[in-house]
Amino acid sequence: SQTIHQWPATLVQPVGSPLSLECTVEGTSNPNLYWYRQAAGRGLQLLFYSVGIGQISSEVPQNLSASRPQDRQFILSSKKLLLSDSGFYLCAWEALNYGYTFGSGTRLTVV
Amino acid sequence: AQTVTQSQPEMSVQEAETVTLSCTYDTSENNYYLFWYKQPPSRQMILVIRQEAYKQQNATENRFSVNFQKAAKSFSLKISDSQLGDTAMYFCAFMTTNSGYALNFGKGTSLLVTP
Repeated sequence: SQTIHQWPATLVQPVGSPLSLECTVEGTSNPNLYWYRQAAGRGLQLLFYSVGIGQISSEVPQNLSASRPQDRQFILSSKKLLLSDSGFYLCAWEALNYGYTFGSGTRLTVV
Repeated sequence: AQTVTQSQPEMSVQEAETVTLSCTYDTSENNYYLFWYKQPPSRQMILVIRQEAYKQQNATENRFSVNFQKAAKSFSLKISDSQLGDTAMYFCAFMTTNSGYALNFGKGTSLLVTP
């Protein structure tokens, strides 16, 4: 069966510090992978998606970047966090138009 | 650009009653997919139901069903026999085969089921 792992679950980081959130998928190959952000009380905003190794599409210009170094690994990064980067980050993979399977999310607080 | 609109920020229903959540969308595409996702307080996103645009028959999953009106670009979710565990945020979402199958979400409806 397919599973998706996302970590850490909670993160508190100071302004200006770097960020690395990791997402891995098991039980499938060549998945489409996605990073979403959910600000408090709001909907989900697509940040990045990837249809293959090294292929990254950015939906929103911002302080963040993404990388896909392996087929089933998707990483969200920042060199210097801003207060506005706080939020709930969700990784997801897409299964043949059947919708997404989401990770359990990372709650990031920038202080 | 595709947009998804959920016009009801909050709703409340009594246990065992029926509630309908509204969703409209805008697209020029002909082939697309529609979804309802549930996000309980744990914040885990859970797929509730999906609908292919080329299918006229409304999708159903146990107590959950949709009313898909393609011409009106409407995709409402009906929850029958509401249970306390249905309390959650509900997101309507839209996907085309373009743009890497990215999902566009509405802003959500917060549903509270009361005893």
